[in-house]
Amino acid sequence: EADIYQTPRYLVIGTGKKITLECSQTMGHDKMYWYQQDPGMELHLIHYSYGVNSTEKGDLSSESTVSRIRTEHFPLTLESARPSHTSQYLCASLRDGPYEQYFGPGTRLTVT
Amino acid sequence: AQSVTQLGSHVSVSEGALVLLRCNYSSSVPPYLFWYVQYPNQGLQLLLKYTTGATLVKGINGFEAEFKKSETSFHLTKPSAHMSDAAEYFCAVSDRGTGGFKTIFGAGTRLFVKA
Repeated sequence: EADIYQTPRYLVIGTGKKITLECSQTMGHDKMYWYQQDPGMELHLIHYSYGVNSTEKGDLSSESTVSRIRTEHFPLTLESARPSHTSQYLCASLRDGPYEQYFGPGTRLTVT
Repeated sequence: AQSVTQLGSHVSVSEGALVLLRCNYSSSVPPYLFWYVQYPNQGLQLLLKYTTGATLVKGINGFEAEFKKSETSFHLTKPSAHMSDAAEYFCAVSDRGTGGFKTIFGAGTRLFVKA
């Protein structure tokens, strides 16, 4: 069973608010990822990290930012939420060798 | 550049019938291939993967997939569908790109199982 956690699971927030989506894993994985998923669509990579103090933007442009100060923690921040940010956000970490990703349960964000 | 195409956004089968979900990929280097399953309001869970070796790989819940290099395909099958198999299935491809390891996901196929 994967030990990767995301909070909150659901969030409804007004336009202009600052929000942070939390992601933590207890598996000691170096590589972590944030994906954005809209209904019926593929996952789009928005941020990734290959270790502490390493962050990169993904293939899909995003107004969010991330940090990686500790191996187990990879939070995503939106400085000013907009309705276009309404989506599901999935966090994942990668187990090297088997190359498989472990996913958190996701945060479903609605910006009104 | 890598890409994944899943044929059919929706597949419907009767309980007990064969499940076949199609996936084709493009990759300039030998790929690593995956199938993930997503149940409602949950994250993705690995069903099976191909990295090297035997081209027929078996996964959890009775699913299996075969890597066919000549057809650039990695179709997912299960001999007999169960109601609990109803979910969204994602095919994915990845390789060791410069500086790291990223995965490209298909658009997903929603499997419906009729009683």
